[in-house]
Amino acid sequence: LAKTTQPISMDSYEGQEVNITCSHNNIATNDYITWYQQFPSQGPRFIIQGYKTKVTNEVASLFIPADRKSSTLSLPRVSLSDTAVYYCLVGGALVGFKTIFGAGTRLFVKA
Amino acid sequence: NAGVTQTPKFQVLKTGQSMTLQCAQDMNHEYMSWYRQDPGMGLRLIHYSVGAGITDQGEVPNGYNVSRSTTEDFPLRLLSAAPSQTSVYFCASRSSDTQYFGPGTRLTVL
Repeated sequence: LAKTTQPISMDSYEGQEVNITCSHNNIATNDYITWYQQFPSQGPRFIIQGYKTKVTNEVASLFIPADRKSSTLSLPRVSLSDTAVYYCLVGGALVGFKTIFGAGTRLFVKA
Repeated sequence: NAGVTQTPKFQVLKTGQSMTLQCAQDMNHEYMSWYRQDPGMGLRLIHYSVGAGITDQGEVPNGYNVSRSTTEDFPLRLLSAAPSQTSVYFCASRSSDTQYFGPGTRLTVL
């Protein structure tokens, strides 16, 4: 199982773009990269998933370089409500099963 | 469509007591799993199931049992509660690429 490394915490201000990078040096050929968001006292919520290059949805963008050894979650124009823990997961197409959740990145958005 | 539901929301047990945490999903997902989350930590996989009648162990299975008699339900049983099992428990089900988590059960073992 690919191990991931993320910053423990990040601070930002409202309206700024936030980029959270995740390292996964031993990612396997068939592994996908998935990001989840977790608010206090709630279960994690799926944000975005990708395999290579760039993926964008209504919430975020995910940038994956050609070597796939890292990925960057980009949150455009964050608001106070984006304060949460963000988890980067790496695993097979059925990612999430026997995938290890790390401690995640605690993002704190200030006014 | 309620998604993933868990009961109870809160529970306090004494050491040695047993109980069952309930989890149900109405999305007809084959895959379901149980995680625990300790304060300030990520989620750790306890048990998972790839379909009715099929279960397997995750990272931290000791002290917990599961069964999967129907697609909808995936209960987690604590056989003899210990203070080390104080945690928040999340149940999840998944489609082909996305996991859906329940609201969690906050368990305290005294």
